[in-house]
Amino acid sequence: DGGITQSPKYLFRKEGQNVTLSCEQNLNHDAMYWYRQDPGQGLRLIYYSQIVNDFQKGDIAEGYSVSREKKESFPLTVTSAQKNPTAFYLCATTAGSKNIQYFGAGTRLSVL
Amino acid sequence: QKEVEQDPGPLSVPEGAIVSLNCTYSNSAFQYFMWYRQYSRKGPELLMYTYSSGNKEDGRFTAQVDKSSKYISLFIRDSQPSDSATYLCAIMMSNYQLIWGAGTKLIIKP
Repeated sequence: DGGITQSPKYLFRKEGQNVTLSCEQNLNHDAMYWYRQDPGQGLRLIYYSQIVNDFQKGDIAEGYSVSREKKESFPLTVTSAQKNPTAFYLCATTAGSKNIQYFGAGTRLSVL
Repeated sequence: QKEVEQDPGPLSVPEGAIVSLNCTYSNSAFQYFMWYRQYSRKGPELLMYTYSSGNKEDGRFTAQVDKSSKYISLFIRDSQPSDSATYLCAIMMSNYQLIWGAGTKLIIKP
């Protein structure tokens, strides 16, 4: 996982509940990303942050929120407004001038 | 039409075979081309990274880019059961955002 830690590995959400997925990195990378992965659809960008206290919406930000208060941390909250949250969530950071993305091990979110 | 097309498979081949995985893309402004490997329930890991047209080799893996046809390929020689995974192509735009293919599930049969 190269210094990118996602937790928990598995998460269950009850209807109407907000849940928060953790992503921590010790690589001193500036940029961090959240993706959602569904079977047969590849990775879709939810939010990204290139610097502390700043973040941008990706392609599917509705129903999600993020914060970037520290360089090491980029938590993702799946809100009750996200009606179809069941998916595999991946956090990534970029390194070097080529902006290659490196990923954590992912969090699998399911609905009870 | 999606910006990056990739056949989801599954692709099943016998051990030792040469594997060919492919993606097509629609935007000629795309600059960098990557292949990631993803084992079940794990995050993707970078396999190959290339910019120009032509071939780039790394051990048993060869990445090929044909910008005129907007076509990229990953070849795996002497395939092993440990190569069984999902292979994702990713293409970087000029703003450094990645556009991902759907991923091809590869199964290498012993």
